[in-house]
Amino acid sequence: NAGVTQTPKFRVLKTGQSMTLLCAQDMNHEYMYWYRQDPGMGLRLIHYSVGEGTTAKGEVPDGYNVSRLKKQNFLLGLESAAPSQTSVYFCASSYLQGGPYGYTFGSGTRLTVV
Amino acid sequence: DQQVKQNSPSLSVQEGRISILNCDYTNSMFDYFLWYKKYPAEGPTFLISISSIKDKNEDGRFTVFLNKSAKHLSLHIVPSQPGDSAVYFCAASEGTSGSRLTFGEGTQLTVNP
Repeated sequence: NAGVTQTPKFRVLKTGQSMTLLCAQDMNHEYMYWYRQDPGMGLRLIHYSVGEGTTAKGEVPDGYNVSRLKKQNFLLGLESAAPSQTSVYFCASSYLQGGPYGYTFGSGTRLTVV
Repeated sequence: DQQVKQNSPSLSVQEGRISILNCDYTNSMFDYFLWYKKYPAEGPTFLISISSIKDKNEDGRFTVFLNKSAKHLSLHIVPSQPGDSAVYFCAASEGTSGSRLTFGEGTQLTVNP
């Protein structure tokens, strides 16, 4: 059971380049999320989706776009990368938005923008 | 507005002793509280949760305590082991739908042999 799979695991971008981070889950979860983790800042929500074809903004959405064309996939795009987007990105999915069962996270993508 | 706060960025304890990680929250509507553990180069993994109708939940060496009047929860690890060294995040939500998890900043626990 793979759970949540993120690709790539590492990437170095030059300022202004674009890229897409892929997230796939095999648990038939309705809800999916993209977080970034920065030192001392915890996990900050970028965008999320409450079902196939839906997306919504989180706490820090600027500079990112997302798409959820299929229930199992949630894509995070950076159209013009900036050094401030250097971070570790985590995708997560869940059966419920809140409650006691929480979210299942992927192993992360470490992105460096130079 | 940081609704979930972990005021200690780091904690160091000796193997075999108790580790106590703390978390404070401001939203009185939170009714589910969770702890996650994160190792380097891995994603956070669910550790233990508690609902607001309880004040304690135990799972092996891990116990979470909830003090609703103080809006405070804590995670106790007894006895601590070197393999417990990780970043611990607390999280909270209002109900099971319509409200996502809100995470704290994390506490780096180091258990020394």
